Amino acid sequence: GQQVMQIPQYQHVQEGEDFTTYCNSSTTLSNIQWYKQRPGGHPVFLIQLVKSGEVKKQKRLTFQFGEAKKNSSLHITATQTTDVGTYFCAGRVSYNTDKLIFGTGTRLQVFP
Amino acid sequence: DGGITQSPKYLFRKEGQNVTLSCEQNLNHDAMYWYRQDPGQGLRLIYYSQIVNDFQKGDIAEGYSVSREKKESFPLTVTSAQKNPTAFYLCASSRTVSGGDSYEQYFGPGTRLTVT
Repeated sequence: GQQVMQIPQYQHVQEGEDFTTYCNSSTTLSNIQWYKQRPGGHPVFLIQLVKSGEVKKQKRLTFQFGEAKKNSSLHITATQTTDVGTYFCAGRVSYNTDKLIFGTGTRLQVFP
Repeated sequence: DGGITQSPKYLFRKEGQNVTLSCEQNLNHDAMYWYRQDPGQGLRLIYYSQIVNDFQKGDIAEGYSVSREKKESFPLTVTSAQKNPTAFYLCASSRTVSGGDSYEQYFGPGTRLTVT
């Protein structure tokens, strides 16, 4: 079946260090979304990437969608304690479905 | 104040009992979803609905049932046939895909179900 894997599963960083999580799909995606879930909370939408090779930035966060539309990455520059949480990618495999396939998530812990 | 509500936040049940989790949204979204999240794991899709009176099985539908009689409501029943029902259940909604555009999902606060 269709799978979306993320690495690493966990990442512990010192505040101020950079962080990257990678998302890999077994099939080509029509688009990809990223969500953040704070501890004890629910996922909150961050961004959507649609075009092959697309790069988008939100302050310290940089999102990329691979040329083959099968992988994506999220990079955080100079992490802060507010970045703590689990980051999920979620891919849509077809243009005519609302169904998303969520990645396994990367849990980020930031030490002050 | 628009959003998605799930109730209750915590739910305890005895093994062998069916239990229904509530999900209501006032965002006027056509699509609604139920996910299951186990500790330290991702979200797995149980059921989703793109329109009233229609729904589709997700990846782990066995032991669950849903209904979509109203646009605003998408209740999930965890039946006694579900072997490991203890989990965190998340409901979400979104606009439906249109002309190639797709939209983000908005999540409710979740219901933590414990079955003993």
